[in-house]
Amino acid sequence: AQKVTQAQTEISVVEKEDVTLDCVYETRDTTYYLFWYKQPPSGELVFLIRRNSFDEQNEISGRYSWNFQKSTSSFNFTITASQVVDSAVYFCALSEANSGGSNYKLTFGKGTLLTVNP
Amino acid sequence: DGGITQSPKYLFRKEGQNVTLSCEQNLNHDAMYWYRQDPGQGLRLIYYSQIVNDFQKGDIAEGYSVSREKKESFPLTVTSAQKNPTAFYLCASSGWGALYNEQFFGPGTRLTVL
Repeated sequence: AQKVTQAQTEISVVEKEDVTLDCVYETRDTTYYLFWYKQPPSGELVFLIRRNSFDEQNEISGRYSWNFQKSTSSFNFTITASQVVDSAVYFCALSEANSGGSNYKLTFGKGTLLTVNP
Repeated sequence: DGGITQSPKYLFRKEGQNVTLSCEQNLNHDAMYWYRQDPGQGLRLIYYSQIVNDFQKGDIAEGYSVSREKKESFPLTVTSAQKNPTAFYLCASSGWGALYNEQFFGPGTRLTVL
């Protein structure tokens, strides 16, 4: 069974600090996708990034960066120079093929609550 | 604007009553999903539908039912058989048949059983 572990339940930082959110996954699939979503206090999940299992190149988008390492089954997310608006719950998720092999569902981690204090 | 709408935002139910949560999307997505979120539990899949008139149970389908009569609509009924229905419910949709399954989420419905 596929599994996503976000060991950090809560993280609190002061504005402008860098912060890394950890994500470790388990899968038997050779082809899979990993995702990060942000859930602000309003409740709606916002898609941040998708990464496929064949592309281990790190990605940077503004203050956000992601480090994907298949060797350690990790897909960590770093926010540089954090801001108060970054306060949210962040979820890591893993795509999974259903029995038919042609459709996919997501397995989510339990999320990390990030609080950025001014 | 394209997106997903859920209604109502807050819902209160007495024990023993069935309630239906609405989910509508105008993204022309084939697949739709219902998740339940409890504090500290992350998101758990209740039901999903890949195409009209077809749906599959997720990880926690007991006490819930769905229908998919139209592409844009995927209502969820929380029945009296659901023992602990108080939770935050999220609806999502995505394109079907793609390996990558970027899902778009609605704003959620918070259900409270009185």
